[in-house]
Amino acid sequence: KNQVEQSPQSLIILEGKNCTLQCNYTVSPFSNLRWYKQDTGRGPVSLTIMTFSENTKSNGRYTATLDADTKQSSLHITASQLSDSASYICVVRVNAGNNRKLIWGLGTSLAVNP
Amino acid sequence: NAGVTQTPKFRVLKTGQSMTLLCAQDMNHEYMYWYRQDPGMGLRLIHYSVGEGTTAKGEVPDGYNVSRLKKQNFLLGLESAAPSQTSVYFCSSGQETQYFGPGTRLLVL
Repeated sequence: KNQVEQSPQSLIILEGKNCTLQCNYTVSPFSNLRWYKQDTGRGPVSLTIMTFSENTKSNGRYTATLDADTKQSSLHITASQLSDSASYICVVRVNAGNNRKLIWGLGTSLAVNP
Repeated sequence: NAGVTQTPKFRVLKTGQSMTLLCAQDMNHEYMYWYRQDPGMGLRLIHYSVGEGTTAKGEVPDGYNVSRLKKQNFLLGLESAAPSQTSVYFCSSGQETQYFGPGTRLLVL
C-alpha cells in the first residue's frame, strides 16, 4: 500500500533554533518527492521537489534531503523564524503508466515561539 | 497576477442543498485539481482536469461533479450536500508544481 508517514506529528521550538522533520514513504514506483508548507487557513505552498537522483535541495533556510534507498526524506529548517510556524507536508508522486497520483502525508505541525 | 482564487471563502449549507465552488487561475495551466482536507487526513483528490473540456475522477469523487468549460476556470458542484461533505476544499493548478488557492470552508448542517 502506498503510504507517506511523517514525524513528529507536532513540534515546538524557540525562535532561532534549527529543526528537522522526517518523512518515510512506501511508494512504488517512485517519481518524485515534494515538501509543502501550509500556513493556518491557507493553501499549501511548494518548498522543494526532488527526483530519484537528487540527494539535497535547498530553498533559502529550508533544506530537503532524500535517500531513495531507505525511502526517507527530511526537511531541515535553519535559524527558525516566527513565520515558519505552519504545517509541513511531505508528498510523494507515484508514476506507473496511467497511474500518476500524489500520496499526501498528514504533515508535521511546527510552532516557533519567541 | 492573482494566481489561484476560490469563491466563496466560507459557506453554510443545509443537508440536501446544492452549491458550486468556483476556482480560477491566471497562470495558463492545463492541469487543475479539486481536493478536500479533513482533520487527521491528508489532502484527498476529488476530481481533476488535464485541459479545457476534460475532467477525471480522483480518489473521492462520489457526491461531486466538475466542469472545465474554460481553461482558467474549474467548477466543483455539490448537487445534494451531506454532512459528510463538511470540509475545507482546495483548488490547485499546475503539473509538477501545484499552486493552491486559499480554500473554501464548507459546513453542511
